[in-house]
Amino acid sequence: DIQLTQSPSFLSASVGDRVTITCRASQGISSYLAWYQQKPGRAPKLLIYGASTLQGGFSSRFGGGGSGTEFTLTISSLQPEDLATYYCQQLNSYPYTFGQGTKLEIK
Amino acid sequence: QVQLAESGGGVVQPGRSLSLSCTTSGFTFENYGMHWVRQALGKGLEWVAVIWSDGSTQYYADSVEGRFTVSRDNSKKTSYLQMNTLAAEDTAVYYCAATNNFGSGSFDFWGQGTMVTVSS
Repeated sequence: DIQLTQSPSFLSASVGDRVTITCRASQGISSYLAWYQQKPGRAPKLLIYGASTLQGGFSSRFGGGGSGTEFTLTISSLQPEDLATYYCQQLNSYPYTFGQGTKLEIK
Repeated sequence: QVQLAESGGGVVQPGRSLSLSCTTSGFTFENYGMHWVRQALGKGLEWVAVIWSDGSTQYYADSVEGRFTVSRDNSKKTSYLQMNTLAAEDTAVYYCAATNNFGSGSFDFWGQGTMVTVSS
């Protein structure tokens, strides 16, 4: 099975900060990676697919990059509504796996 | 608009069975694979199972293989998750999610989840 390791697991940042979350895969997955945003008490929402394509309805402050084994999710200017847990997911092979999540706190 | 609604959750004793349903609307169901994902309280997301859009193929997480069965009825736009021999570690919110056949494989749409509690 492909393991995904996200870092950090917890992130506290201020409004306006640029934040980056990293997701590393245990083997190459090309660009078969998605990012999801899960706000407290809510279902996850697709945020980025194909490693770098922003899902409709999300701010262009969100950006994804990487390929192979290392990927990033960047928020260019943190806003209060970005409070959430962010998960990466590999879609290269079954069983599909998620990273352990990064909980983002607004200072 | 797109809607996915899980139902069938509840409290069940260890060793017993439970069946979940995911009723959908607002998209072309037969063009979407259907996944089930679960999340224990305060924990991360765990992929559970998938059934392809035509129902021909299913895959399962090792943790549920042989106990859970995913199915679908395209005429009813509904996916099902039959869960047998339930154990305490199956306690979680269960989400269904849809993935477009012609997309990247990502989970485009999610339901709101249904809680399953396995307890004596």
